Amino acid sequence: DIVMTQTPLSLSVTPGQPASISCKSSQSLLHSDGKTYLYWYLQKPGQSPQLLIYEVSSRFSGVPDRFSGSGSGTDFTLKISRVEAEDVGVYYCMQGIHLLPYTFGQGTKLEIK
Amino acid sequence: QVQLVQSGAEVKKPGASVKVSCKASGYTFTSYGISWVRQAPGQGLEWMGWISAYNGNTNYAQKLQGRVTMTTDTSTSTAYMELRSLRSDDTAVYYCARDPHDHPDYWGQGTLVTVSS
Repeated sequence: DIVMTQTPLSLSVTPGQPASISCKSSQSLLHSDGKTYLYWYLQKPGQSPQLLIYEVSSRFSGVPDRFSGSGSGTDFTLKISRVEAEDVGVYYCMQGIHLLPYTFGQGTKLEIK
Repeated sequence: QVQLVQSGAEVKKPGASVKVSCKASGYTFTSYGISWVRQAPGQGLEWMGWISAYNGNTNYAQKLQGRVTMTTDTSTSTAYMELRSLRSDDTAVYYCARDPHDHPDYWGQGTLVTVSS
């Protein structure tokens, strides 16, 4: 299975400041169809995970534009331009390159200072 | 709006089986698949498997092969996940999620399954 490695595992950010999370995969997530199957999810405290970003950089419906994704091949980044209190939770990257089995990163816990 | 509503919490003894339901609404059920993902207490997310609501094709995580069965009932837009021979390390919150076959997008609220003697 493809291993997804996130750094850092925890992050404490002052409101209004930026935040960045890295995700590295053990194999390229670029498929022969030209798509890169890398996704980002946020699990807020006590809630189900919610999709933020699909295919590296596309924001899902309703996701604020302060969230952005970038990267290619095996290295990816999620950036929050200005952290707000509602952004606290655990962020997960996930790969779907081989369609199944999906694998998730370990999660990055974002806290507000 | 897309909604996935799961059945309530369960407590089971080791060796028993559990069947969790997931009722979908707000979209054409047979146009998507359903993934099941679980989360042990304080742990990360673990993908369990995927089922096509169109034709019932399934793909299961290798570690669960032989213990898990996923089904759908298109007449009620409901997906089911049955896990057999439960062990204490199956204690987790189980999530269903709509999945076009490359990533979950909308998730259910989760169902806590506790395995304890």
